[in-house]
Amino acid sequence: NAGVMQNPRHLVRRRGQEARLRCSPMKGHSHVYWYRQLPEEGLKFMVYLQKENIIDESGMPKERFSAEFPKEGPSILRIQQVVRGDSAAYFCASSQGASGNTIYFGEGSWLTVV
Amino acid sequence: AQSVTQLGSHVSVSEGALVLLRCNYSSSVPPYLFWYVQYPNQGLQLLLKYTSAATLVKGINGFEAEFKKSETSFHLTKPSAHMSDAAEYFCAVSDVKGGSEKLVFGKGMKLTVNP
Repeated sequence: NAGVMQNPRHLVRRRGQEARLRCSPMKGHSHVYWYRQLPEEGLKFMVYLQKENIIDESGMPKERFSAEFPKEGPSILRIQQVVRGDSAAYFCASSQGASGNTIYFGEGSWLTVV
Repeated sequence: AQSVTQLGSHVSVSEGALVLLRCNYSSSVPPYLFWYVQYPNQGLQLLLKYTSAATLVKGINGFEAEFKKSETSFHLTKPSAHMSDAAEYFCAVSDVKGGSEKLVFGKGMKLTVNP
């Protein structure tokens, strides 16, 4: 029973390049969340998606960041023209969606911008 | 908006001693509350959750937490620390608004266990 799968686990990008992070939710889960963890800080909510819909993107930076969860395939968090400040751990999580349901986290994708 | 406060960032205990990690929440509605643990370079693992059933919640690895509405607290405890408990612990509250539900996390608490 696979958990939330994220790849790549580690990604190095030069400033100005694009980063794409992928997330496959747990089997049976249709709700996906992305969180960012900066050094010495807790997890900050970025975006909440259901299949083909963005439900809440209140935590997403206004520029360069986008997320999708297509009908088929994994959820993608895309960061264009990366800057050093984007270096962080990005965690994907999934749930069945009902209020109070447990949200399960993936192992994270560590982005380093050089 | 819902919020969580974890005062301090580090706590150190001796092996076999009581572990107490404090969490206070702010919520305008009856909350769902969670404790997660994160080992170095890994994702978050759910320790336990409170969803308005019993106020004393038992979780994995011998941890438990008590929901106290009068104190708006959800402190995490373990009677006897083990070396393997060294990790970072996050308290979180569920924030439901406008069809969206997400977790709001505290800043975390790094637990060190000394032999």
